[in-house]
Amino acid sequence: EPEVTQTPSHQVTQMGQEVILRCVPISNHLYFYWYRQILGQKVEFLVSFYNNEISEKSEIFDDQFSVERPDGSNFTLKIRSTKLEDSAMYFCASRRGLAEQNIQYFGAGTRLSVL
Amino acid sequence: SQELEQSPQSLIVQEGKNLTINCTSSKTLYGLYWYKQKYGEGLIFLMMLQKGGEEKSHEKITAKLDEKKQQSSLHITASQPSHAGIYLCGAFHSGTYKYIFGTGTRLKVLA
Repeated sequence: EPEVTQTPSHQVTQMGQEVILRCVPISNHLYFYWYRQILGQKVEFLVSFYNNEISEKSEIFDDQFSVERPDGSNFTLKIRSTKLEDSAMYFCASRRGLAEQNIQYFGAGTRLSVL
Repeated sequence: SQELEQSPQSLIVQEGKNLTINCTSSKTLYGLYWYKQKYGEGLIFLMMLQKGGEEKSHEKITAKLDEKKQQSSLHITASQPSHAGIYLCGAFHSGTYKYIFGTGTRLKVLA
């Protein structure tokens, strides 16, 4: 079964450092997403991406965040200057199309710990 | 804005018992997805419902979407310890690319 892969599974960083979380979506999918889940809280939408640009973003996705699809396979989330409150599980997801029957598949997540 | 509320927030059942989890939307749903998450891990897709009155089953898990498409229920028959985890309903926010999740239901099954 095709799957979304995320690396690394756990990232530890110092406050103020930049981190890049990587995702390889399913190969024929066109829509890509990042979500965040702070421990014990809801999964929150961060951003959606289509056709090499952001299609929607939440209020959480401020100037310290950016996304990129640098090549045909990777989809990255960059956090420029990490804060303690950025510690969370970050999930990448992808979807074939916009029709409701196009299921969104999630990666296993990257746990980001900011010290 | 659209919200998804789940109930109960947590559930502890004895192995073999049946249980139901509900997901209620503040707006009409155009597709409702159920996921399972083991604590601290990724989300596993379970089922998707689109039409009012639709019901789907996978192994011992059945999900329904009501006729008005504002509520869905997930029913587990003869629960097992392997069913333990957090169950999340999700939907695309009406008219946007934004996806929202329910508040989650934490299920524990006692052997």
